[in-house]
Amino acid sequence: TQLLEQSPQFLSIQEGENLTVYCNSSSVFSSLQWYRQEPGEGPVLLVTVVTGGEVKKLKRLTFQFGDARKDSSLHITAAQPGDTGLYLCAGARIYNQGGKLIFGQGTELSVKP
Amino acid sequence: ETGVTQTPRHLVMGMTNKKSLKCEQHLGHNAMYWYKQSAKKPLELMFVYSLEERVENNSVPSRFSPECPNSSHLFLHLHTLQPEDSALYLCASSREGQPYYGYTFGSGTRLTVV
Repeated sequence: TQLLEQSPQFLSIQEGENLTVYCNSSSVFSSLQWYRQEPGEGPVLLVTVVTGGEVKKLKRLTFQFGDARKDSSLHITAAQPGDTGLYLCAGARIYNQGGKLIFGQGTELSVKP
Repeated sequence: ETGVTQTPRHLVMGMTNKKSLKCEQHLGHNAMYWYKQSAKKPLELMFVYSLEERVENNSVPSRFSPECPNSSHLFLHLHTLQPEDSALYLCASSREGQPYYGYTFGSGTRLTVV
């Protein structure tokens, strides 16, 4: 059972397009993070959201945490080839021992010039 | 060097070989993790070490044996592996009990079992 479901799993778009990636769960998380992983490298933390309804922006990337803290979205405006990679969401469960993260299965994004 | 360093970056081994993967961090983190990442599959948590004690072992076959001699180093000893064990093995570290700061991952070891 996958506690964090990401959609879509694969996304191929042209440079300049906008896109949204979703991360959904039936469980409540104390915080949720987004990572990006480039080929041949490990995932790199992009952002942490903590408060229900919270919105954070990182240049062309906008992250939102759902009001009930069960879901999150990542929106990229005017995508560029450099945005290509695997995007992973990860949630920390409330009362989770040691803050161990639960990862989604990832969304593979390809941005073509 | 900052961050989490994994060596080697690439490893090809036969099914009868014994090898070890190494992970090192000098971030002051006190929790370390081994993950397996296979094509088209989610990250699979293998082992968790907290304060140098193994706190989680996710039903990993005994042909994988972790070792954490101190809070800065983590090893994964491999022996008699199977071809299906070929994958990217990622090490990560974090501050125990502080998920807000996230995990810092190494670049991984690309393992091929032949």
